[in-house]
Amino acid sequence: EPEVTQTPSHQVTQMGQEVILRCVPISNHLYFYWYRQILGQKVEFLVSFYNNEISEKSEIFDDQFSVERPDGSNFTLKIRSTKLEDSAMYFCASSRDSGETQYFGPGTRLLVL
Amino acid sequence: GESVGLHLPTLSVQEGDNSIINCAYSNSASDYFIWYKQESGKGPQFIIDIRSNMDKRQGQRVTVLLNKTVKHLSLQIAATQPGDSAVYFCAERKTDSWGKLQFGAGTQVVVTP
Repeated sequence: EPEVTQTPSHQVTQMGQEVILRCVPISNHLYFYWYRQILGQKVEFLVSFYNNEISEKSEIFDDQFSVERPDGSNFTLKIRSTKLEDSAMYFCASSRDSGETQYFGPGTRLLVL
Repeated sequence: GESVGLHLPTLSVQEGDNSIINCAYSNSASDYFIWYKQESGKGPQFIIDIRSNMDKRQGQRVTVLLNKTVKHLSLQIAATQPGDSAVYFCAERKTDSWGKLQFGAGTQVVVTP
């Protein structure tokens, strides 16, 4: 069964450093998403991406965040200058269409020190 | 404000019994509702979904009920098993969104032998 994969599973970084989180969505899916979950809290939407453009983003997704689909398989989330409060689990998801089921990856646990 | 939330933070259920997890939503513009299961350290796993033109949908051992009059969503798990122990999230999607899911706070289900 196809699944969304994410790398790395864990990332530790110093405050102010740049991080890139990687995702490989399900191959025939066209819509891609990033969500985050701060420890013990609910899952929060960050951004949706379709046809090489951001289609929707939340207030959390400020100028420090960017997304990219550098090739036909990867989907990345970049945080330019990490802050302590960026520490969270980051989930990538994909769907065939914006109205279809979103399938989530296993997540990357980011710890900013 | 507009939100999706859960009535019970923790549900303890005996193995073999049925479980009912409840969720309230306040945005009548939502047209799609989903239940996800999240085990510790993993990403949300799709369980079942329902569109706003339906009242009930059944899957394998699970049933989702949607009451649009009182803006209430529930997940019923039949013959609960130890493997059902997890946090369960409801999520909604608004009609005019590009797939953005708004998650509730989550209910911890603990299955006891």
